[in-house]
Amino acid sequence: DADVTQTPRNRITKTGKRIMLECSQTKGHDRMYWYRQDPGLGLRLIYYSFDVKDINKGEISDGYSVSRQAQAKFSLSLESAIPNQTALYFCATSDGGQVAGELFFGEGSRLTVL
Amino acid sequence: GQQLNQSPQSMFIQEGEDVSMNCTSSSIFNTWLWYKQDPGEGPVLLIALYKAGELTSNGRLTAQFGITRKDSFLNISASIPSDVGIYFCAGRNSGGSNYKLTFGKGTLLTVNP
Repeated sequence: DADVTQTPRNRITKTGKRIMLECSQTKGHDRMYWYRQDPGLGLRLIYYSFDVKDINKGEISDGYSVSRQAQAKFSLSLESAIPNQTALYFCATSDGGQVAGELFFGEGSRLTVL
Repeated sequence: GQQLNQSPQSMFIQEGEDVSMNCTSSSIFNTWLWYKQDPGEGPVLLIALYKAGELTSNGRLTAQFGITRKDSFLNISASIPSDVGIYFCAGRNSGGSNYKLTFGKGTLLTVNP
């Protein structure tokens, strides 16, 4: 089983709908992240959390919100989805005590907003 | 914000050829990282570099942390079909309790058998 699990893996929705992407991890890491990948743009940070009570905006947080329900769970919400939020979304974790900078990524959630 | 320029954007090579890709930045990083993303999966760390001038190898992969701290390169020798994927560089500036990786836009590598 994957150490970082994302659900759903694929989702097609309509403009204006509320969408939640969920992430759970079994690595025991404190730090969790949500990234967005678009062709030719690489990986861009949406939100990150260093522990359950810590939430920080990344470089492209507008239109998104997150919830850190537990150390192992970090969800990303789109309150009112729009077509330019069509992308591949990755959850990642890290442990500051291990290899500095090593992120462990989930397999991705592909979201299409029509 | 900080930006990384990664080149080339894509490469089409024959099996057995060597590959070189690089990243440059307008600002200094304390750590350089190279990730690979296989089709349909999330990125996986290949090599981490922590000191200016550091040269590190991992099998057929070799990466270097530039002396100026503003660049890094990744070489792959004797490419094989499973080298196909997207390669990302990433830089990190650590300070206090903040942590942020800045990713390059990726190099798409295609290897023809």
